Amino acid sequence: NAGVTQTPKFQVLKTGQSMTLQCAQDMNHEYMSWYRQDPGMGLRLIHYSVGAGITDQGEVPNGYNVSRSTTEDFPLRLLSAAPSQTSVYFCASSSGGVRGPKYFGPGTRLTVT
Amino acid sequence: GENVEQHPSTLSVQEGDSAVIKCTYSDSASNYFPWYKQELGKGPQLIIDIRSNVGEKKDQRIAVTLNKTAKHFSLHITETQPEDSAVYFCACGGGADGLTFGKGTHLIIQP
Repeated sequence: NAGVTQTPKFQVLKTGQSMTLQCAQDMNHEYMSWYRQDPGMGLRLIHYSVGAGITDQGEVPNGYNVSRSTTEDFPLRLLSAAPSQTSVYFCASSSGGVRGPKYFGPGTRLTVT
Repeated sequence: GENVEQHPSTLSVQEGDSAVIKCTYSDSASNYFPWYKQELGKGPQLIIDIRSNVGEKKDQRIAVTLNKTAKHFSLHITETQPEDSAVYFCACGGGADGLTFGKGTHLIIQP
């Protein structure tokens, strides 16, 4: 199994641009989530999904969209990038009824100028 | 919502000694308490977790204890080794809102 994969690893955007961070898992996990990590702030939940077709907001959802058309994929869309969205983004998955991340991807480091 | 406090923010111990990291939480409905280890440039890795119906769990040199009455839980690492150097995060939750994370502890193992 590849586990949780994320692309790209690094990205630089200009303010106002949009982009999609890709996330995929091959473990047939029903629960997937997106976190952002900022220095001194720990990990904060952006959006999560408990299964295909079901998504919900986390602690910091503004400026981000998600969709879950398949069990494997959970892309995160930045609608209009802002410097405050400069961060490291982690996708995660789990199963077995645990509504929290068990396996994290390697992360995407995003800089918005 | 849930509020998690993690202490200390930095912990330096001699190789071979024990390390203890503590977290307190506010929501008595939380029932799942995982700990993660994050090495530089990598995603967090789940290292141990405990549910609210258990007071202690051990896995080799790592143990977690939970005091539901006092709303705190701790990570214990014994016989620390250089590869234990990393940032450790506690988290809690388990309900529909997922997990709330502490701000992390930078563990430094001194040779």
